[in-house]
Amino acid sequence: DTAVSQTPKYLVTQMGNDKSIKCEQNLGHDTMYWYKQDSKKFLKIMFSYNNKELIINETVPNRFSPKSPDKAHLNLHINSLELGDSAVYFCASSQGTSGRNEQYFGPGTRLTVT
Amino acid sequence: GQNIDQPTEMTATEGAIVQINCTYQTSGFNGLFWYQQHAGEAPTFLSYNVLDGLEEKGRFSSFLSRSKGYSYLLLKELQMKDSASYLCAVRRSGTYKYIFGTGTRLKVLA
Repeated sequence: DTAVSQTPKYLVTQMGNDKSIKCEQNLGHDTMYWYKQDSKKFLKIMFSYNNKELIINETVPNRFSPKSPDKAHLNLHINSLELGDSAVYFCASSQGTSGRNEQYFGPGTRLTVT
Repeated sequence: GQNIDQPTEMTATEGAIVQINCTYQTSGFNGLFWYQQHAGEAPTFLSYNVLDGLEEKGRFSSFLSRSKGYSYLLLKELQMKDSASYLCAVRRSGTYKYIFGTGTRLKVLA
């Protein structure tokens, strides 16, 4: 069974469109994250939810809106897509804040905006 | 502020030992993680250090010095499959936030 899954794996769309990426984890974790990995492979945190509550909201354009319907799901909606949004978006989950509590990453969604 | 530095690329030979360094400056520290990321795949967890010293796990070891803001990942008996990017990440204390370095791309040559 896949621990952290994302859909879609690939997303090609035009500028100005609105799109969503979905993430689900079956690990029973209480915290989920969205990361953006650019062409230089730099992994940058965008958002994080703990028990459905938004706890990290980095400097991200408000065109990006996360939503966590429950602890196992975290979705990312992007409005008015721009060329610079092209990247790989990774979802991750972890349990708690102390101790090892490493993050488990989903397979990524490669977004290409044309 | 917060900053994590790693070398961009390293090359080593199959069977050799390689050390990947990571230096960090963060406001608050609550653990350092190493992840491996093969091209086109997701990062996967390798190691965790929160106290000073060496943590060994098979062919991989990770070292931490909190006073120096320094860590390294040591890979022994390199195999071709170890060719990947290695990401250093620091968790800030009191938060759920992980700050990632830009990663070190390791090429293992036959």
